[in-house]
Amino acid sequence: GENVEQHPSTLSVQEGDSAVIKCTYSDSASNYFPWYKQELGKRPQLIIDIRSNVGEKKDQRIAVTLNKTAKHFSLHITETQPEDSAVYFCAAKGSGGSNYKLTFGKGTLLTVNP
Amino acid sequence: DTAVSQTPKYLVTQMGNDKSIKCEQNLGHDTMYWYKQDSKKFLKIMFSYNNKELIINETVPNRFSPKSPDKAHLNLHINSLELGDSAVYFCASSQEDRGREKLFFGSGTQLSVL
Repeated sequence: GENVEQHPSTLSVQEGDSAVIKCTYSDSASNYFPWYKQELGKRPQLIIDIRSNVGEKKDQRIAVTLNKTAKHFSLHITETQPEDSAVYFCAAKGSGGSNYKLTFGKGTLLTVNP
Repeated sequence: DTAVSQTPKYLVTQMGNDKSIKCEQNLGHDTMYWYKQDSKKFLKIMFSYNNKELIINETVPNRFSPKSPDKAHLNLHINSLELGDSAVYFCASSQEDRGREKLFFGSGTQLSVL
């Protein structure tokens, strides 16, 4: 089955700096890669996703890049703010409808220091 | 008008007891899930149902039994609770759309087994 590795497990940055979280996946058939943000005590929520036919996607201060050959994808947050502090999860999913589950990485605790 | 609602939010119980968690979604989604999030924040899929049919059953003890009376509901019953069952349990629903699958999570049920 799919295996998703996520690094680092914790990341501390100063407000205004950039943050990068990296993930690798094992199943070359995976073609959908979402990122979820979970604030303390809250539910995970989708913040951005990318399909395998695209190499990069950007939404304001957040961007995701995908390297299918190397089987890794990354989340980039620019101009970080204290409200970006949360646990971020990457995930990977194969094609084939509901029978293919979303496999999550173990999460990265991002702390943005004011 | 909550999209995915689960009850109760908190559940404190003794070892050996049986308990249930209920989940309902009003998004019209075909697929529903149960995830377990342990103290290290790792999100692990337990079960997935598509139109009331079980499609994913991860390595979960038989003490856990999901039930889906209709596609809008997915309940989780746990028999003979153990200390290691203490975690946050998230219900979620999703609908695949052109290769994208956004998970909508409930607010979670914090289960504490004493």
